[in-house]
Amino acid sequence: AQKITQTQPGMFVQEKEAVTLDCTYDTSDPSYGLFWYKQPSSGEMIFLIYQGSYDQQNATEGRYSLNFQKARKSANLVISASQLGDSAMYFCAMSPGSARQLTFGSGTQLTVLP
Amino acid sequence: GAVVSQHPSWVICKSGTSVKIECRSLDFQATTMFWYRQFPKQSLMLMATSNEGSKATYEQGVEKDKFLINHASLTLSTLTVTSAHPEDSSFYICSARDSRLFTDTQYFGPGTRLTVL
Repeated sequence: AQKITQTQPGMFVQEKEAVTLDCTYDTSDPSYGLFWYKQPSSGEMIFLIYQGSYDQQNATEGRYSLNFQKARKSANLVISASQLGDSAMYFCAMSPGSARQLTFGSGTQLTVLP
Repeated sequence: GAVVSQHPSWVICKSGTSVKIECRSLDFQATTMFWYRQFPKQSLMLMATSNEGSKATYEQGVEKDKFLINHASLTLSTLTVTSAHPEDSSFYICSARDSRLFTDTQYFGPGTRLTVL
């Protein structure tokens, strides 16, 4: 079975500072994908970043980067230069093997302080 | 990026009525779409996987006769909540897998908030 763990139910960060949201996963599949989504209070799920299990380099998308440590089975999201608009719920997700389905973590509520 | 629309964005209905929710991929074809349910302050719970031209695959515990899913085209999947009751009130959100990508990235619709009175 696959499992995604997000141990931080809530996080606070000062505007313009960087923040790391933790995510660990567990799977027996050698091939898998890791995703981060942002869910503002409006409810929509916004795709942020993807990391493949065989990718050698950490994924980056603008201010978002994924700190992928395969041996530790962690896929932490780093947001640089936080903005007030970054305040939202953040979900880590995994797609193992050929399942095509996403398994989501419990989420982390990020609040950016002015 | 890929765009997925969902309609309606919110609906209020009386107990016993049926409600249909549409999910459309606007700028790509989606052979696979997914339906999720989300309770307040909780994560997404996968209800079913919808494949174009075939029957949906439901997750354990999800009543297929209660939540009817149809995926008749490569850009449209519908979820019908039949004989809705107050316990069906929830946030329903769909996603579509972009078949052009080798990853399993799912793009989500804006969600539908269902309230059953």
